[in-house]
Amino acid sequence: DAGVTQSPTHLIKTRGQQVTLRCSPKSGHDTVSWYQQALGQGPQFIFQYYEEEERQRGNFPDRFSGHQFPNYSSELNVNALLLGDSALYLCASSLATVSHSYEQYFGPGTRLTVT
Amino acid sequence: RKEVEQDPGPFNVPEGATVAFNCTYSNSASQSFFWYRQDCRKEPKLLMSVYSSGNEDGRFTAQLNRASQYISLLIRDSKLSDSATYLCVVNSPTSGTYKYIFGTGTRLKVLA
Repeated sequence: DAGVTQSPTHLIKTRGQQVTLRCSPKSGHDTVSWYQQALGQGPQFIFQYYEEEERQRGNFPDRFSGHQFPNYSSELNVNALLLGDSALYLCASSLATVSHSYEQYFGPGTRLTVT
Repeated sequence: RKEVEQDPGPFNVPEGATVAFNCTYSNSASQSFFWYRQDCRKEPKLLMSVYSSGNEDGRFTAQLNRASQYISLLIRDSKLSDSATYLCVVNSPTSGTYKYIFGTGTRLKVLA
């Protein structure tokens, strides 16, 4: 049973460039959430996708956008990169339930460095 | 006030000690609660969900106090391998749905 996978593992970009990160959820999961984790901080919620739509969004600018595909995999796009975007980007998958008690499982993350 | 607050530590304890972490949350409508463990430069891993009646998993015990809006994690007989950052997570309502809100984490170092 494959867990959550993310690619690439590491990425170095220059200010102003654009980046796309990818995530495949755990088998059987239908919801994907993206988080940004700066050094020494807890993960910050970016947005969540369910049924190929953005279901909710955290306090991140429109430079951050995403997509979910019919197979539940997801992409995170960041445009016009800033130095402050350097962080570990985590993808988490879960199974949407009415009870809202779902547990999330994280991928290994993509470490993005912006120079 | 932060939505989820934790003491960042570090907590340095000897092997075999008992250590407890608390985490407070601000939204009284929060529905579910979790503890995650994160090793250096790795992803968070689910340690345990926290149930209203409290729950135990081996050396780990989690408690929820809704009246005071805090959750706790107790680790008994600490092992060197317990050294990690422990993240408190609260599933809180927002804009008609729910989202995970993480604390900044509490660092634990178990010393030989």
